[in-house]
Amino acid sequence: VQLVESGGVVVQPGGSLKLSCAASGFTFGDYTMHWVRQAPGKGLEWVSLITWNGGTTYYPDSVKGRFTISRDNSKNSLFLQMNSLRTEDTALYYCAKDMGYSGTYFDFWGQGTLVTVSS
Amino acid sequence: QSALTQPASLSGSPGQSITISCTGTSSDVGGYNYVSWYQQHPGKAPKLMIYDVSDRPSGVSNRFSGSKSGNTASLTISGLQAEDEADYYCSSYTRSTTHNCVFGSGTKVTVL
Repeated sequence: VQLVESGGVVVQPGGSLKLSCAASGFTFGDYTMHWVRQAPGKGLEWVSLITWNGGTTYYPDSVKGRFTISRDNSKNSLFLQMNSLRTEDTALYYCAKDMGYSGTYFDFWGQGTLVTVSS
Repeated sequence: QSALTQPASLSGSPGQSITISCTGTSSDVGGYNYVSWYQQHPGKAPKLMIYDVSDRPSGVSNRFSGSKSGNTASLTISGLQAEDEADYYCSSYTRSTTHNCVFGSGTKVTVL
């Protein structure tokens, strides 16, 4: 299993950015996928999930209405569209595969892509 | 949605056992047997160590064990080794209209 994130850059407050995650080594279309972020020196924060067919998405209040998760199963790719970015969105963003159990477990993670929101 | 509460730091000598606590509420830890634990070394991605409260993924040492009582979950590391020095995070499914899961605040484990 390999997950490779890309798209992280320095962006001004209020700006937009789209992250991508290329997946390989498993049947991508069979699994729920997630984005998890980690601010510099801080803990982990779950950011969003999308079910195997894209039919259901979830977001915490901190990003709801600003972030949109999507996927393209034909290209084994996961995306995160980030709008109205704030300085507090600065973090390393990880793409993570759901284990496929009843609980929410992340059994494989990418190495992350760094998003810096700063003027 | 607040983060689950973990001690900021713990330490132990090689060979000793340490236990990390993770306290939530009846809406998360106490309400479901969907607790997991992650190990994160500096500059690395997190690694799943425990799921379903006490199950270990293939390849994880049996020195790591998990349990739960009420609203508090625990991770015990037995026979502490230098390579166990890392940050540890718990996570739980949560009953919420927006959140699917919540992480703990994290515990830095130091091997003396």
